[in-house]
Amino acid sequence: NAGVTQTPKFQVLKTGQSMTLQCAQDMNHNSMYWYRQDPGMGLRLIYYSASEGTTDKGEVPNGYNVSRLNKREFSLRLESAAPSQTSVYFCASSGNWGPRDSPYFGAGTRLSVL
Amino acid sequence: KQEVTQIPAALSVPEGENLVLNCSFTDSAIYNLQWFRQDPGKGLTSLLLIQSSQREQTSGRLNASLDKSSGRSTLYIAASQPGDSATYLCAVKGGGATNKLIFGTGTLLAVQP
Repeated sequence: NAGVTQTPKFQVLKTGQSMTLQCAQDMNHNSMYWYRQDPGMGLRLIYYSASEGTTDKGEVPNGYNVSRLNKREFSLRLESAAPSQTSVYFCASSGNWGPRDSPYFGAGTRLSVL
Repeated sequence: KQEVTQIPAALSVPEGENLVLNCSFTDSAIYNLQWFRQDPGKGLTSLLLIQSSQREQTSGRLNASLDKSSGRSTLYIAASQPGDSATYLCAVKGGGATNKLIFGTGTLLAVQP
């Protein structure tokens, strides 16, 4: 029962460094999402992929890129990390893009940019 | 632009008390509203999902209601237990092409034994 798996769980970067957050789901879900969670801000959508081969911007896409590698995997890349990107990042997946579908969330990646 | 607000931001109650968490949203054109639970250092777990055509959903000691016209939802927890301590978030799923989840900032609940 793996569900949604995120790696790494923790990461510390220096300003300007790059890294890729990995996400994989084993539920054969079509849709996948990346959110960030900041204190007092709730979760905000960075990018989403409604189906394999498609990606779209969410509320806060600046500074990020994504790749839907296949149906299982959706990665988030920070090309040049900034302190403002210090946050907890959550990946999620859902079966379809319909009103009855509730997303399943990974455990999160805690990122600090110094 | 859809905005979701949760009041109160934090709540502390003694064990056994019934409690209500509130969620309000500005745009009534929603597909559904969901309540999630988040434990410290963990991801989110879906508790209840109310579709736009429904008025309420129940699961065990939890009951969620939805009033689209007034832009409000409540999560009622009966006979609270220390294990209910967590952050509770509501999220609305909008209509149209975007169909994205918009989250509130959450209510941090502490149930004292």
